[in-house]
Amino acid sequence: DIQMTQSPSAMSASVGDRVTITCRASQGISNHLDWLQQKPGKVPKRLIYDVSSLQSGVPSRFSGSGSGTEFTLTISSLQPEDFATYYCLQHNSYPPTFGQGTKVEIK
Amino acid sequence: EVHLVESGGGMVQPGGSLRLSCAASGFTFSDHYMDWVRQAPGKGLEWVGRIRNRGNSYSTEYAASVKGRFTISRDDSKNSLYLQMNSLKTEDTAVYYCARSSDNWSDWFDPWGQGTLVTVSS
Repeated sequence: DIQMTQSPSAMSASVGDRVTITCRASQGISNHLDWLQQKPGKVPKRLIYDVSSLQSGVPSRFSGSGSGTEFTLTISSLQPEDFATYYCLQHNSYPPTFGQGTKVEIK
Repeated sequence: EVHLVESGGGMVQPGGSLRLSCAASGFTFSDHYMDWVRQAPGKGLEWVGRIRNRGNSYSTEYAASVKGRFTISRDDSKNSLYLQMNSLKTEDTAVYYCARSSDNWSDWFDPWGQGTLVTVSS
């Protein structure tokens, strides 16, 4: 199975901060990498698919980049509603696997 | 609007069985692949399995942790997805989500249902 390693596991940030979350795959996954957001007690929601394509309705402060085995989710200016746990997901091969999650908390 | 609603969760003893359902609306259910994903309390996300559409022979894939114990099926006439869970273990305790996917490598797990909690305990 492809292992997905996110860093950091948790972080504290302030409203307006630029936030970067990294996801590393144990082997190449082409561009089959998504980012999901899960707020406490809520359902996961896809933010970005295929590395950098923004899901409809998702604010443009979210962006994704990367290739091969290293991928990044960036929030350009953190907003109060962005405090949540973020997961990367690879779907290049079965089984699809998620990163362990990055919890973004209020500083 | 796309809507996925899971049901059938509850408490069951180790070794027992449970059948989850997912009712779909707002899209052409028969066209889509469908997945089950679970989340143990306070933990991350784990894919459980997938069923493809009729054009792909309703073929299935399973995570190693559930293969041979869980079975995914669907009834396109009822816009419904099912997860039959047998020989349940305590480590199967989780919220189970159904999620819509497509028959391409770009469209996975969007959207998700609200989830149903399965608790395996004696």
